[in-house]
This record gives sequence, structure tokens and C-alpha cells, in this order.
Amino acid sequence: AQSVTQLGSHVSVSEGALVLLRCNYSSSVPPYLFWYVQYPNQGLQLLLKYTSAATLVKGINGFEAEFKKSETSFHLTKPSAHMSDAAEYFCAVSSGSGNTGKLIFGQGTTLQVKP
Amino acid sequence: EAQVTQNPRYLITVTGKKLTVTCSQNMNHEYMSWYRQDPGLGLRQIYYSMNVEVTDKGDVPEGYKVSRKEKRNFPLILESPSPNQTSLYFCASQGQNNQPQHFGDGTRLSIL
Repeated sequence: AQSVTQLGSHVSVSEGALVLLRCNYSSSVPPYLFWYVQYPNQGLQLLLKYTSAATLVKGINGFEAEFKKSETSFHLTKPSAHMSDAAEYFCAVSSGSGNTGKLIFGQGTTLQVKP
Repeated sequence: EAQVTQNPRYLITVTGKKLTVTCSQNMNHEYMSWYRQDPGLGLRQIYYSMNVEVTDKGDVPEGYKVSRKEKRNFPLILESPSPNQTSLYFCASQGQNNQPQHFGDGTRLSIL
């Protein structure tokens, strides 16, 4: 069975500092991995996706993530945090077969950006 | 503009009073899904649909029903809502396999 673990339910950084949000996954098949962002009172917006092409994936708003198979990780980073990055972030893995659209989500990480 | 539209956005109701949350997408997507979001649990899939008249249970289907009579619509039905169904609900649609899903803005349900 597939699963996703996000380490740290809350992360706080200063504006301009590095953002690192951790995600580890478990999958018996090559995974499709996603990061979504949720702003208050809004739905989920795709930040980036990994679909077995390049291991370093660039997304929107300056975010990127690196797929590391040996570590079963897909951590999200951004070199310099902006106040507008404050939101909840979800890592998700696709089930890949059968119910191919099913996303299995991590618990979410709330990012706080301090001025 | 490509979008997934849910209605209502907010609803407060009482135990046992049937309700329907509508979901519509304008992208001609075959795959649609419902999730509920609860603090500390992320999003969990309730039901999904691979195409018209094809639906199946997700991880937490108890107390919910769905239908898919038209490609664009995928309503979520709570026949007899209970307080443990108080949650934030999201509808999503997807085109081809493993393409990113498009999410609606959510429906916050409070069952008293």
C-alpha cells in the first residue's frame, strides 16, 4: 500500500530564508508524486509533479523538489521565502494502477513566514 | 477558464436532513473524485468515478453516495448526515492517467 509522510505539521521561517518541507513516501511501484498548496479558503493548487522524467522538478512560484529513490523522499524547497508563501502544503502520491486518479495525501505542513 | 465548481461553499445543517453537494467541471475530464479534509489527516478519498455511470468507493465511503449521470457532474449525497461528517469537502477532476488533478474551492459542511 502506498503512503505519504510529511515531517513537521508546522514550519516557520523568516522572509528571505530557505524553505524546506519534507515528504517521504512508500510505494511498491514507481510513484507519481505531487506537491499541492492550499491558501486559506481555497482549493488545492498544483505546485509541481514528478512523473519519472527528471529527478529535479521545478514548479511554480520558485519552488522545486528533488526525487530521491534511495531515500524515498520528495522534499520541497524554495531558496528565499516570501510572505505570500504562507499556506498549507500537501505532498501526494498517485496510486498508479486501478484507481489511477486516487491521490494519497500526507497530513499537510503549514508554512508560516515571519517578516 | 478551466475550472471545477462546487456548491454550496458553506452549509450548516442538522443531523438526518438529506443534502447534496454539487460538483461540475468544464474540462471534459473522465475521472472525478471526492475528498474530505480533516485536521491532521490530510485529504482522504470518499468516492471516485472513472466515467459516466462508473463509480467506486474510496477510502472513507460510509455515509455517502454519488452518481455520475453526465460527464461534467459528480454530486455528493449525504442521505442522513451525522456530526462526524462535519468536514471540508473537495471535488477534483482529472484528464489522463496520473495527470494532475484540478480541485474545486471546497465546501465546508457543519452537521449539528
